[in-house]
This record gives sequence, structure tokens and C-alpha cells, in this order.
Amino acid sequence: AQSVTQPDIHITVSEGASLELRCNYSYGATPYLFWYVQSPGQGLQLLLKYFSGDTLVQGIKGFEAEFKRSQSSFNLRKPSVHWSDAAEYFCAVGASRGNKLVFGAGTILRVKS
Amino acid sequence: DAGVIQSPRHEVTEMGQEVTLRCKPISGHNSLFWYRQTMMRGLELLIYFNNNVPIDDSGMPEDRFSAKMPNASFSTLKIQPSEPRDSAVYFCASRGLAGEYSGTDTQYFGPGTRLTVL
Repeated sequence: AQSVTQPDIHITVSEGASLELRCNYSYGATPYLFWYVQSPGQGLQLLLKYFSGDTLVQGIKGFEAEFKRSQSSFNLRKPSVHWSDAAEYFCAVGASRGNKLVFGAGTILRVKS
Repeated sequence: DAGVIQSPRHEVTEMGQEVTLRCKPISGHNSLFWYRQTMMRGLELLIYFNNNVPIDDSGMPEDRFSAKMPNASFSTLKIQPSEPRDSAVYFCASRGLAGEYSGTDTQYFGPGTRLTVL
């Protein structure tokens, strides 16, 4: 069964600084990886996803993520954070065939001005 | 497209009462998922449907929970009787299948229903 670890519960960065949110997954076969963002009181919105091909994936809102199979990681990055990026971020892994998505516990991002 | 629609957005009820949460998936999507989000357990998949048929309900906590999908545009999650520990945010998500069944397709989430059981 697949699992996801997001080691950082909270992260605080200054506006304009770079950001990296960590995600490690465990899955025996080809993983399908997702990053979602949840603003307070809102549902989850897809930022980006990785299935195959180029291991550096571009998403919405200036986010990108890099799949590293050797490290079982799929870290999310943004070169310059905006105050509106403050939210909770979830990494998820899906099976190669199947409907189940397993989510990490989430990382709460705070942006200080 | 209006996205996934959930109602009500907030529900406050007393222990022992029946609660029904509703979901309208995105038109044309044929997979639907119910999740529960709590501080303690994070996001958990409760049940999902393909083509209106329940496929995996192993995440449903107990018999007090039931879900139905009578047609492609409507699903309900019912809790009877409700208990305080059911307090959570319940999300519905839908997914379209691009031809062959695949786990690669994106799930689109509704705004959630915040349930409080007193």
C-alpha cells in the first residue's frame, strides 16, 4: 500500500523568499504524484501532477515539483513566495491503476511580510 | 463548469440525529469520492463510486455511515445516528475517465461540508 510523509507540519517564510515543501512517498510500483493546496474554508485545488516523462513538473501559480525516484521524493518549490500562497499544502500518491489517492498530513505555510 | 457542488456547507446537529450530506459531481465525470478531514486523521477516503457503483467502501468507519449514488449527477453520504466524533469536514471529489480506466486522472474537490455534532 502506498503512503506519503510530509515531514514539516508548519513552515514560515518571508514574502519574496524561496520555498521548498518536502514530500516522501512509499509505493512499490510507478507512483502517480500530486500536490494540492487548501486555503482556509476551501476545498483542495490541484497545483500539479506527475505521471511520467520530465521529472520537473510545472504547475499553476508559479509552483514546480521535481520527482526523484532514487530519493522517493516529490518536493514542491516556488522561487518567490507571495502572501496569497499562505495555505495548507498536501502531497498525494496514487496507484498506477486505481482510484485511491493517499494524502500526506499536510504542511501549513505561513508567509510573513 | 460549476465544479463539484456540496450541500450544505455547514451542518450543526445533535447527537443521535440523522445527517445527510449531498454532492453533485462535475458533469461528465463518472467517478465520485467521499473524504473526511479531521485534525487527528487528516484526509481519509471513505468510499468511491465508478459509474454510480460503489467500488471500495473500506474507509467507511462503521455501519452508521452509508453512501448512495442513484445517478451520475448526485450522491449522498448519510450518518445515522450521528455522534460527536463524526464532527469533521466532509469532501466530495469527482474524476473523469479519459477513455481507459486510470489512476492518473485528476480528482476535483468540492468546497466541503463542515459537520458539527453536539
